[in-house]
Amino acid sequence: GDSVTQTEGPVTVSESESLIINCTYSATSIAYPNLFWYVRYPGEGLQLLLKVITAGQKGSSRGFEATYNKETTSFHLQKASVQESDSAVYYCALGDRNRIFFGDGTQLVVKP
Amino acid sequence: ETAVFQTPNYHVTQVGNEVSFNCKQTLGHDTMYWYKQDSKKLLKIMFSYNNKQLIVNETVPRRFSPQSSDKAHLNLRIKSVEPEDSAVYLCASSPDSGNTLYFGEGSRLIVV
Repeated sequence: GDSVTQTEGPVTVSESESLIINCTYSATSIAYPNLFWYVRYPGEGLQLLLKVITAGQKGSSRGFEATYNKETTSFHLQKASVQESDSAVYYCALGDRNRIFFGDGTQLVVKP
Repeated sequence: ETAVFQTPNYHVTQVGNEVSFNCKQTLGHDTMYWYKQDSKKLLKIMFSYNNKQLIVNETVPRRFSPQSSDKAHLNLRIKSVEPEDSAVYLCASSPDSGNTLYFGEGSRLIVV
């Protein structure tokens, strides 16, 4: 079946450092799944951070970027310089025709 | 701005009781979902409906039953709750299957 594997947290970085949270996927029901990053900030609901539906394309939002790599089946989340307000739980997700599968989530802690 | 509304937000009950969670979306979407988020924050899809029709029914115990009166509403009933049912139940909607999800704030169930 379809699945998503992402960096196990918590990930702790200092403010202004760079960040990468790895995500790889396995899609057996669909050749080109939609790929997503969702985020849950403390005290808030789960919300979309960015999505890419075309292989080879890059999505970006709030300084975060992720590129849909069909060859390596990856969708890593990157940011050049994190802020304390980026502390949250990040979920990589894959969408097939009928459902969206989530990775286990990665808690990011940004130290001031 | 919240457009997926869940009630109740929090419910404590005893083993063997029946519980119902309600969800309504005002986005005009055709597809709605129920996800379960356990104590480790893992997100697992339970059900999805498209225009009142069940399209995804993952392997969940038979005591769980979704109910949809129209495409804006998707309720979840749990007959005879068990301790392992303690979790946060997240309702979501989507303009179409496998696409971006819009989540409610969740309904936390505690079974004692």
